[in-house]
Amino acid sequence: QSVLTQPPSASGTPGQRVTISCSGTSSNIGSNTVNWYQQLPGTAPKLLIYSNNQRRSGVPDRFSGSKSGTSASLAISGLQSEDEADYYCSAWDDSLNGLWVFGGGTKLTVL
Amino acid sequence: QVTLRESGPALVKPTQTLTLTCTFSGFSLSSSGMCVSWIRQSPGKALEWLAFIDWDDDKYYSTFLKTRLTISKDTSKNQVVLTMTNMDPVDTATYYCARISRDQYYHYYMDVWGKGTTVTVSS
Repeated sequence: QSVLTQPPSASGTPGQRVTISCSGTSSNIGSNTVNWYQQLPGTAPKLLIYSNNQRRSGVPDRFSGSKSGTSASLAISGLQSEDEADYYCSAWDDSLNGLWVFGGGTKLTVL
Repeated sequence: QVTLRESGPALVKPTQTLTLTCTFSGFSLSSSGMCVSWIRQSPGKALEWLAFIDWDDDKYYSTFLKTRLTISKDTSKNQVVLTMTNMDPVDTATYYCARISRDQYYHYYMDVWGKGTTVTVSS
């Protein structure tokens, strides 16, 4: 299982706001920044959010990230059909679990 | 424009060694702060980080796979090579390379990914 814990699925209707959580420990999220990736079906992951809450250039401001303690969240407001994808959180881990760790991914369905 | 492209065999036999090459353009792996990483994704599964190499030729490996992995770079060719020994069917996956960048606070992130190369391990 993945070091970072994400819900396997999330859903919303167009225009809604959805939030995807990512839970870690003091050795990863608790002491390092969190990055979020979007993986559209059949494509490579793309960076959405880095350093907890910085949107990558070109990413709509509908996407936002936050972190508190050992947890992080990705929020998507004004949900659109093209947001249907898998979303992964990632962080550096200071322990012996490996240096970069990912969450198990959340499949977002736009109803 | 930064691009990365993975290449390697599509099929390997169990126990064989896999060699993958990441050829990149638009940045130099000699520049301070630049790194290139390898990540894989088994069918229907999550992303799994494998290794990365930095501008100073320091190498970092997944704790779970470090005995099987070797990463190296050829700065003159803009290439990073990953070898994985003793391949097994469970290593069947899409293998990605990605550039790692950092912000002004030395926070690192994988900002540009290649399209990936699919490797099947089967006899």
